[in-house]
Amino acid sequence: ILNVEQSPQSLHVQEGDSTNFTCSFPSSNFYALHWYRWETAKSPEALFVMTLNGDEKKKGRISATLNTKEGYSYLYIKGSQPEDSATYLCAFNTDKLIFGTGTRLQVFP
Amino acid sequence: NAGVTQTPKFQVLKTGQSMTLQCAQDMNHNSMYWYRQDPGMGLRLIYYSASEGTTDKGEVPNGYNVSRLNKREFSLRLESAAPSQTSVYFCASSDIGRGFNEQFFGPGTRLTVL
Repeated sequence: ILNVEQSPQSLHVQEGDSTNFTCSFPSSNFYALHWYRWETAKSPEALFVMTLNGDEKKKGRISATLNTKEGYSYLYIKGSQPEDSATYLCAFNTDKLIFGTGTRLQVFP
Repeated sequence: NAGVTQTPKFQVLKTGQSMTLQCAQDMNHNSMYWYRQDPGMGLRLIYYSASEGTTDKGEVPNGYNVSRLNKREFSLRLESAAPSQTSVYFCASSDIGRGFNEQFFGPGTRLTVL
């Protein structure tokens, strides 16, 4: 069974703080790694799809890096805002997506 | 475009009752998926359909059946609901079943089985 782990499970930060969290995945047979943003009472929305070792993606204040050799990806949020509060999911792409349990981020004003 | 739509949004069943969750997408995607989301468990794949006419089991298929009615629609059926099936169910679709195309999710169905 493929294991995708995310840490921390939850995070509380003040507005303006920068933060990051981790997704660990199997380093063999890598195909792609997805990041999703999931707001409460809504459905997950894709942030990034990462495919190459050393890949770095950016969308506004959110960025992600990928290390396929050691099997991890970091998601960074610069200058967190209350609207960044959500659960951030990563998913390891085989022929299906294997999701981690997510990091729940709360940003306090 | 509506994207991925699911009906109903909420449902309460008694143990042993049956029901069908409906999902439709208007993005002309080949692949469709059913997930369940439980606290602390993340999203777990129940069944998927890589293309019209095919369905395959995911991680937690027991107690469920699916039908890929056509390219747009993918339904999930609970023949005899059990309290362990209380969950939030999400349907998703993607452009191809294999590959790194992103999945688009519906709004979810919150099911309670008493």
